[in-house]
Amino acid sequence: DTAVSQTPKYLVTQMGNDKSIKCEQNLGHDTMYWYKQDSKKFLKIMFSYNNKELIINETVPNRFSPKSPDKAHLNLHINSLELGDSAVYFCASSQGQGRREQYFGPGTRLTVT
Amino acid sequence: QKEVEQNSGPLSVPEGAIASLNCTYSDRGSQSFFWYRQYSGKSPELIMSIYSNGDKEDGRFTAQLNKASQYVSLLIRDSQPSDSATYLCAVNGGSYIPTFGRGTSLIVHP
Repeated sequence: DTAVSQTPKYLVTQMGNDKSIKCEQNLGHDTMYWYKQDSKKFLKIMFSYNNKELIINETVPNRFSPKSPDKAHLNLHINSLELGDSAVYFCASSQGQGRREQYFGPGTRLTVT
Repeated sequence: QKEVEQNSGPLSVPEGAIASLNCTYSDRGSQSFFWYRQYSGKSPELIMSIYSNGDKEDGRFTAQLNKASQYVSLLIRDSQPSDSATYLCAVNGGSYIPTFGRGTSLIVHP
């Protein structure tokens, strides 16, 4: 019955590798987001999709590429991982393109060594 | 640059007291305001949403919004040790890009 789920929960990898994080929501929401929370706990939006269309693309290195196969799924692929990519990545969803409250997934803790 | 400012704290209050958390925002076009609670190692969870000026109460929580002063606050009455967490203020501006503050750490001591 998990509303917003993410896999994997933990990801440890080496610099230069490529990795993906998957997100799924069963709330019927039309908007999904990716956030990065750094070691200082600042939660910063990276991308947002509304009905599978990219609507927010904040200043993020182009090594990060989101993909939304349908409005219930939003994946994040990261190429050529760097040490600075280490963070917790949260997926979230909402109804109404950001006008309403968001529901967050459990997070994926990415550690790049 | 749209900004949401919060005092990082920690804010320490005794059990049973009222905790007052404050947030200011820079975008006058902001329309939606939210408070989230985040326990250490967990994801943010919604506590309150508020869309119009005034107070909104839900149990022990009261959100207050003053758009003229660009100020939103959260009051927690009868604070409990289980309320100890980081509280994140979030504001959705006219472009519907959600912006989060850096959060205020609340410690409720017995």
